[in-house]
Amino acid sequence: DTAVSQTPKYLVTQMGNDKSIKCEQNLGHDTMYWYKQDSKKFLKIMFSYNNKELIINETVPNRFSPKSPDKAHLNLHINSLELGDSAVYFCASSLGRGGNSPLHFGNGTRLTVT
Amino acid sequence: QKEVEQNSGPLSVPEGAIASLNCTYSDRVSQSFFWYRQYSGKSPELIMSIYSNGDKEDGRFTAQLNKASQYVSLLIRDSQPSDSATYLCAVKRGNFNKFYFGSGTKLNVKP
Repeated sequence: DTAVSQTPKYLVTQMGNDKSIKCEQNLGHDTMYWYKQDSKKFLKIMFSYNNKELIINETVPNRFSPKSPDKAHLNLHINSLELGDSAVYFCASSLGRGGNSPLHFGNGTRLTVT
Repeated sequence: QKEVEQNSGPLSVPEGAIASLNCTYSDRVSQSFFWYRQYSGKSPELIMSIYSNGDKEDGRFTAQLNKASQYVSLLIRDSQPSDSATYLCAVKRGNFNKFYFGSGTKLNVKP
């Protein structure tokens, strides 16, 4: 199946821990994103990579570090997790820089920090 | 001012009725406009995209774009209970593929 897949689906951890979320797409897209969705359903962009180059870096604590080893993979590492990091994190991809290609989302990772 | 604004709802319509969802955006250079449907606990799913002024129809869905007034809407005809979900409006602008989302409108279709 062609898709955006991310792992894990659920992540429960304690404050202060470090965790990673992985994302892979086989749609042939060249741009990948991390979005954070809070409890009120608001989707906020965090990062975007185009062909391994960081092109969008919103105001995100530097505890969050994305890494794109190639254009089909984008990972997110979070250091020193805080309660406020609890949210659903969505990976997404699209085609082309400019143009009308929509976002295709992964299934999300629900992060709960206790 | 938020980039993209939507009424959070909930919007309740009876089965078979037309549901009308609205969205306004702040930046005139916005290029592309999308509607996503998100069921509870699921990821957003693209249902419509529109790039030019006017209407675009796909089955029971019609997207309408008015760039002069900076609004985009989604009409769902013959609403079904399975249409009950949160509908997210997204706007893309610039050469960096930056997508801005509204906070979503929750639609309830009552049988």
